[in-house]
Amino acid sequence: DTEVTQTPKHLVMGMTNKKSLKCEQHMGHRAMYWYKQKAKKPPELMFVYSYEKLSINESVPSRFSPECPNSSLLNLHLHALQPEDSALYLCASSPVNHPGSNYGYTFGSGTRLTVV
Amino acid sequence: GDSVTQMEGPVTLSEEAFLTINCTYTATGYPSLFWYVQYPGEGLQLLLKATKADDKGSNKGFEATYRKETTSFHLEKGSVQVSDSAVYFCALSEDGNKLVFGAGTILRVKS
Repeated sequence: DTEVTQTPKHLVMGMTNKKSLKCEQHMGHRAMYWYKQKAKKPPELMFVYSYEKLSINESVPSRFSPECPNSSLLNLHLHALQPEDSALYLCASSPVNHPGSNYGYTFGSGTRLTVV
Repeated sequence: GDSVTQMEGPVTLSEEAFLTINCTYTATGYPSLFWYVQYPGEGLQLLLKATKADDKGSNKGFEATYRKETTSFHLEKGSVQVSDSAVYFCALSEDGNKLVFGAGTILRVKS
């Protein structure tokens, strides 16, 4: 299995709703990532988990709350979002990379989120 | 900080034409370099990568060479197909965690 699976593919939520995005991989990767991609823009890193521990938070607002319950799963909990948070949310995984020995990153197809 | 600059698009080519998408980077150390492709409505797929100077990455007829002296990683393909129409992102990673992407280049191939 060489895929990263994201669910749901599409999500529409109100500004008072609470929802979660899910990401799953079975490649044995111990690093997992959340990226946000606005229309016609490149992806921007939000969070990095390494060995199930949060290692990087790119100053993301607290209305986004990541969780890594085990080495195969990564969740992104959403609460009180704003319309400007509408975007494609991409999950990625990789072996734990080190400078000079980068194995690359496998991305999922993303969840297209619309906040109304 | 690290950055990636790609040629602006869209790039429009006829089928079987030669493709070059320029990519240059700025980094303090020795980053790994990547090309990703994004088809409409989909996530990103790794096209090729190179981890050290003079490495050549290649896949599906695409290739790019890590040129440290010119800080470049230009993407080339000898004969493009309509199915190659997509957005191409050049990216780098210095620490093994954060991928820094260029703005992306839209490629349109006409039959």
